[in-house]
Amino acid sequence: SQQGEEDPQALSIQEGENATMNCSYKTSINNLQWYRQNSGRGLVHLILIRSNEREKHSGRLRVTLDTSKKSSSLLITASRAADTASYFCATDAGGGADGLTFGKGTHLIIQP
Amino acid sequence: DTAVSQTPKYLVTQMGNDKSIKCEQNLGHDTMYWYKQDSKKFLKIMFSYNNKELIINETVPNRFSPKSPDKAHLNLHINSLELGDSAVYFCASSLRREQYFGPGTRLTVT
Repeated sequence: SQQGEEDPQALSIQEGENATMNCSYKTSINNLQWYRQNSGRGLVHLILIRSNEREKHSGRLRVTLDTSKKSSSLLITASRAADTASYFCATDAGGGADGLTFGKGTHLIIQP
Repeated sequence: DTAVSQTPKYLVTQMGNDKSIKCEQNLGHDTMYWYKQDSKKFLKIMFSYNNKELIINETVPNRFSPKSPDKAHLNLHINSLELGDSAVYFCASSLRREQYFGPGTRLTVT
């Protein structure tokens, strides 16, 4: 069954603005990850936040995690045209070789 | 230099055929995966495999079977292809928790 739900499904902003995407999930997790997928390409890992962490930064990315609400957000600051892509959250239950459970993704368009 | 590679990139075939997609990783990772991405971009785990266990998503038809000749390879065999199998298939590998994805194989069944 689907775990993550991203919100919004699509987001279009001007270059230089900040973009915020949200993700909700349903079950207990070991960690939550965000991935980027450019059109016609594979997914690229962006950032991982563990269940005992509340916030994490990596360059222009900021991720928050609220396990009580089972939600996470991804903030991209000072967006660039190259940030145009689909962004997926993925939950990891932490059990052995289990794969990730992905949400539906947010399609982000940065207008130059 | 490619970390996770898949072949072919595109595969067009007719219903009823049997086909394979190959995946190789040169990262030395222990665990490999196959995901299916449908036309709405929804990604779903199909299999995960390391040298100890194969975990199969229960919703995957038994026409799909992973085969791992060695730690660096996890191939996907599909028997009796159906129209609904049309999708993009991604291979991935991991050492810890973050996963590294291949470029995908777009399968079209006609």
